[in-house]
Amino acid sequence: GAGVSQSPRYKVAKRGQDVALRCDPISGHVSLFWYQQALGQGPEFLTYFQNEAQLDKSGLPSDRFFAERPEGSVSTLKIQRTQQEDSAVYLCASSLRTVSAEAFFGQGTRLTVV
Amino acid sequence: GESVGLHLPTLSVQEGDNSIINCAYSNSASDYFIWYKQESGKGPQFIIDIRSNMDKRQGQRVTVLLNKTVKHLSLQIAATQPGDSAVYFCAENRNFNKFYFGSGTKLNVKP
Repeated sequence: GAGVSQSPRYKVAKRGQDVALRCDPISGHVSLFWYQQALGQGPEFLTYFQNEAQLDKSGLPSDRFFAERPEGSVSTLKIQRTQQEDSAVYLCASSLRTVSAEAFFGQGTRLTVV
Repeated sequence: GESVGLHLPTLSVQEGDNSIINCAYSNSASDYFIWYKQESGKGPQFIIDIRSNMDKRQGQRVTVLLNKTVKHLSLQIAATQPGDSAVYFCAENRNFNKFYFGSGTKLNVKP
């Protein structure tokens, strides 16, 4: 596709439920990022992939958060045993190069934990 | 849709005026900066970037100024239009493409 695609667009989860959020980056983009954006805040870094390698996961808030990109393309962010504080918009971005470069963002998945 | 700028500093300008949005960054080692525009319900959209070896860069209707001495960025939008209404974030890059976003400024353009 022409841009970064995320699905689902909206997700409502009951507290304790596991969720999986999908990101389809722009074809050929080497770098992929996940960010978390709380209402009224700027995006906060969660994790970074270069191809299939997860090079930085320092922003993941707890061990309930897990991300993968097994074939260096599509990525999945999984949250286990969701809690109310996980409610946020989860943004995926991709970038063509491995050094500092423009990152293109998807529209995000709004997760609401009830 | 929901507002991404619920409690953000707000700048209100008249259509046709110039806008200046400011941002302070924290890390003197940051070497690359991007301004993003985020409309309600959408992901951030690239506006313009600048590297630390520059102090000014111009795009179409936008100019970014970088003052490394005081760790300050500004985004100037010429002839602001209603379609410019959004939340604007500056983002600084440290380590590969790990970006740190500022808290954002909401721009309201009055017709």
